[in-house]
Amino acid sequence: EIVLTQSPGTLSLSPGERATLSCRASETVRGNFLAWHQQKPGQAPRLLIYGASTRATGIPDRFTGSGSGTDFTLTISRLEPEDFAVYYCQDYSSSPQGFTFGPGTRVDIK
Amino acid sequence: EVQLVQSGAEVKKPGESLRISCQGSGYTFRTYWIAWVRQTPGKGLEWMGIILPADSDTRYSPSFQGQVTISADESASAAYLQWSSLKASDSGMYFCARMYLGIFTTWGQGTLVTVSS
Repeated sequence: EIVLTQSPGTLSLSPGERATLSCRASETVRGNFLAWHQQKPGQAPRLLIYGASTRATGIPDRFTGSGSGTDFTLTISRLEPEDFAVYYCQDYSSSPQGFTFGPGTRVDIK
Repeated sequence: EVQLVQSGAEVKKPGESLRISCQGSGYTFRTYWIAWVRQTPGKGLEWMGIILPADSDTRYSPSFQGQVTISADESASAAYLQWSSLKASDSGMYFCARMYLGIFTTWGQGTLVTVSS
């Protein structure tokens, strides 16, 4: 089973700043089947990125996913107030037999 | 609009049974897998299992196999997560999600389950 590690645990930034979130896998994610989800307090997660770099429907282009193999990055080019949330990466390369989530990165207002 | 609406919060005692639901709308329910995910402060997001409503093909995470039962009712456009005997450690937020090509594209709003004596 792939283990996902996310860093940093918490990122404190100001609106307008750039956020760079990392997700590292314990082994190669086959097909780059890696997704990113955003979760705001009291809400369900929301799909942002799938296939490591494809934005989901309705996701603003300030969100960019990149990476391959074992190292993946989610970049938010200019933080908007609504972007302060927790971000999870998820491996779905073993679908339908298994899915793994990372522990999350919290993006806080500085 | 694709939507998954889950049943409301539950407070139960250890040993009691429970079934929570996830109702889909805005799409052909039978043709998309539904996943169940648990969220707790200690373990984060954990995949529990998935079901395809069309034929009730079900896969469980080894961590949850034998602990819960996942089912679906195609005619009701609903999926279910069931416990026969709850434990305190089953407390958490439970989400359902519609899955397409392995991607969790749409999430339900979550159901909070509290198990306490």
